[in-house]
Amino acid sequence: TQLLEQSPQFLSIQEGENLTVYCNSSSVFSSLQWYRQEPGEGPVLLVTVVTGGEVKKLKRLTFQFGDARKDSSLHITAAQPGDTGLYLCAGTNAGGTSYGKLTFGQGTILTVHP
Amino acid sequence: GAGVSQSPRYKVAKRGQDVALRCDPISGHVSLFWYQQALGQGPEFLTYFQNEAQLDKSGLPSDRFFAERPEGSVSTLKIQRTQQEDSAVYLCASSPEGGRRGTEAFFGQGTRLTVV
Repeated sequence: TQLLEQSPQFLSIQEGENLTVYCNSSSVFSSLQWYRQEPGEGPVLLVTVVTGGEVKKLKRLTFQFGDARKDSSLHITAAQPGDTGLYLCAGTNAGGTSYGKLTFGQGTILTVHP
Repeated sequence: GAGVSQSPRYKVAKRGQDVALRCDPISGHVSLFWYQQALGQGPEFLTYFQNEAQLDKSGLPSDRFFAERPEGSVSTLKIQRTQQEDSAVYLCASSPEGGRRGTEAFFGQGTRLTVV
């Protein structure tokens, strides 16, 4: 069974601070995605990374996929209250037939105070 | 439709009652997934359909859980004889293709089931 360990579980910061969320596994994933989920809504895709060592930037968000495709990080610069939400990493299986089944981490609940 | 639609949004069931949760995926999407999300946790995979074929049901927690997608579009997740541990948000997701790494999954808003 492939597992994704996400940390920290909770993060409470002030507006303008930087933060990093980590997603680690002992297993290799063929791709890794980051989602953001707001209360009462389903997860919304932020980014997909597929190549080891890949770095993607989305405005103030920077995503990195580890060289061995076992870990990933999400860095937010100058956090804003609108960034508040549940952040989820999710991987798809490497090898065999993959139909896009997602294995999720436990999530990081981010609160950004004005 | 514009997105994945799930109904009902909220369901309160008495322990032992049967429930049926509906998912309308994005029109034309081949893949459909059901996930279960406990409060404050990440979603966990339940089952997968490619068109009308249920190719993976390894995540269904017991034989009280049953899912179908008879015409390859709308799907229903049925839970028989509900128990308190079934209380969770049930998410449906669809994606346009039958299987390729990194394919985006579009999620519905979920159905929050509370068993009392």
